[in-house]
Amino acid sequence: NAGVTQTPKFQVLKTGQSMTLQCAQDMNHNSMYWYRQDPGMGLRLIHYSVGAGITDQGEVPNGYNVSRSTTEDFPLRLLSAAPSQTSVYFCASSYSRDSGSGTQYFGPGTRLLVL
Amino acid sequence: AQTVTQSQPEMSVQEAETVTLSCTYDTSENNYYLFWYKQPPSRQMILVIRQEAYKQQNATENRFSVNFQKAAKSFSLKISDSQLGDTAMYFCAFMIVNFGNEKLTFGTGTRLTIIP
Repeated sequence: NAGVTQTPKFQVLKTGQSMTLQCAQDMNHNSMYWYRQDPGMGLRLIHYSVGAGITDQGEVPNGYNVSRSTTEDFPLRLLSAAPSQTSVYFCASSYSRDSGSGTQYFGPGTRLLVL
Repeated sequence: AQTVTQSQPEMSVQEAETVTLSCTYDTSENNYYLFWYKQPPSRQMILVIRQEAYKQQNATENRFSVNFQKAAKSFSLKISDSQLGDTAMYFCAFMIVNFGNEKLTFGTGTRLTIIP
């Protein structure tokens, strides 16, 4: 199993450009998450999904969109990039059913620089 | 809202020594999980250990163990016989057990350096 994969590894954008960060998992996990990591602030949740067709906002959702059309994929879209979105982005997945909360497993991260 | 506090931004110890990283959290929930994640220079987030709040026994994983004090809302990580490969950022994280609302709340991390 590849686990959680993310592409690209690194991206440079100009202010106002849009892009999609890709995330895929092959562990048949139902839940998927997007976090951003900024210096001195730990990881903060952007959006998450507990199943195909279901998404919800996390702590810092502004400027980002997500969709979940398949169990495997959970892309994160930046609509109009801003320098404040310069960060490292992590995708994670877990198996979560009823009271059986699952440990989250992380992808390798995408480093984004917005100029 | 839940909060997680790691009061030690940086620590360093000699190789083979034991080191303890501190974590406190604040919640009104009774059913939750606590985690320690390791982030080496490669940036990969790696699960170190997990503790269910309903379990009184402290979790252990080889050289890693926790001291979970539920009443004090404290969750420290002890690394025994530290190795150079333990050099990393360590994040404490909290999750409420609630299907559909299982979000991790992270602390700000402790940078641990193992000195040869």
